[in-house]
Amino acid sequence: DAKTTQPNSMESNEEEPVHLPCNHSTISGTDYIHWYRQLPSQGPEYVIHGLTSNVNNRMASLAIAEDRKSSTLILHRATLRDAAVYYCILRDTGGSQGNLIFGKGTKLSVKP
Amino acid sequence: NAGVTQTPKFQVLKTGQSMTLQCAQDMNHEYMSWYRQDPGMGLRLIHYSVGAGITDQGEVPNGYNVSRSTTEDFPLRLLSAAPSQTSVYFCASSRSRVYEQYFGPGTRLTVT
Repeated sequence: DAKTTQPNSMESNEEEPVHLPCNHSTISGTDYIHWYRQLPSQGPEYVIHGLTSNVNNRMASLAIAEDRKSSTLILHRATLRDAAVYYCILRDTGGSQGNLIFGKGTKLSVKP
Repeated sequence: NAGVTQTPKFQVLKTGQSMTLQCAQDMNHEYMSWYRQDPGMGLRLIHYSVGAGITDQGEVPNGYNVSRSTTEDFPLRLLSAAPSQTSVYFCASSRSRVYEQYFGPGTRLTVT
């Protein structure tokens, strides 16, 4: 499975934008880029996913580099509730798997 | 919709005991999976199922059994509990492999 690289931790101030980076230099053409987050003592929750184009939803935006070797999850205005571990995951929908393979993620702290 | 439910929330077992972790979903999802999460780590896939009657192994299947007799339920059985199986267990479901997964609240298992 193609792997991703994320910083171990990041800090943000409340109500400021947050850019969470992810490198995936070995991404294949059939890999979708998925982001999940895990709040303390909860199960992961889906945030957003994309293939080639930038994507927006009510939670966040996903900016994908033109060569697809990196992507950035953007939280437009961080709140205290956004403090969580964020996982960037490549999901192969062209193969026989397509299972989510979690790394260690980025732990985001939000300061009031 | 209740979403994905897991029981029990907490469990303590003695080494060698067996037990079943229950997982149910009411979204008519075909794909279900089980993960374990050890302290400070990401989630690791134990077993998954792409539909009733079909199961397959994930990354760490040893010591666990699953079956899928209905679309709604996907129980995880620990055959002979070991301290190394102390972990938090998450069940997830989705419409198929390629769609976003919905996670349950988890079962915290301690094996002494």
